[in-house]
Amino acid sequence: QVQLQESGPALVKPSETLSLTCTVSGGSISSYLWSWIRQPPGKGLEWIGYSYYSGNTKSNPSLRSRVSISVETSKNQFSLKLNSVTAADTAVYFCARLILNYWYFDLWGRGTLVTVSS
Amino acid sequence: QSVLTQPPSVSGAPRQRVTISCSGSSSNVGNNAVNWYQHLPGKAPKLLIYADELLPSGVSDRLSASKSGASASLAISGLQSEDEADYYCAAWDDSLKGPVFGGGTKLTVL
Repeated sequence: QVQLQESGPALVKPSETLSLTCTVSGGSISSYLWSWIRQPPGKGLEWIGYSYYSGNTKSNPSLRSRVSISVETSKNQFSLKLNSVTAADTAVYFCARLILNYWYFDLWGRGTLVTVSS
Repeated sequence: QSVLTQPPSVSGAPRQRVTISCSGSSSNVGNNAVNWYQHLPGKAPKLLIYADELLPSGVSDRLSASKSGASASLAISGLQSEDEADYYCAAWDDSLKGPVFGGGTKLTVL
């Protein structure tokens, strides 16, 4: 079955760029939307953005100027870059597959905690 | 502050039935499909309900969901200890032009 796995540094310094990768195994990354969601400690879930496998992307307006999402079909991976991070960006980051009809996330990764601290 | 409003916690005894509410507005729940997720800390969130009331393959039929106007609810009958988890509602938001979530509800099985 299709599985998603996040990877990347667990600690990022303030003002630097947070970079995460999601590896899709057991299926192709083509023909779907791929998304990033985060959950700050003790808070709810926040949608960050999504990218179609072909590269069309859309992100949350609250983060848009700092977010970049890309898909690398040859590696069956998609990535998140969030620049100029602050402590407010400390969160568990999830990658997920987004289904266009009804806009639901049918598959998720386990998430990875990223802490922003000097 | 989450866009969709859920109670922080609910509880019930084994074999009982509990409901979790989700309140939004005309730009999200009132005009778009509601989806529900279960999350156990440290594990991948799991899709429970999509399109307001549909169960994905493999999800227990002890779960059901409904929607009326800008409010939705998830019901879990025959409570089991394995149901202890955090539950989130979500919907597309026409203003944000993206998905929005509830703050999550922690279900405790007494």
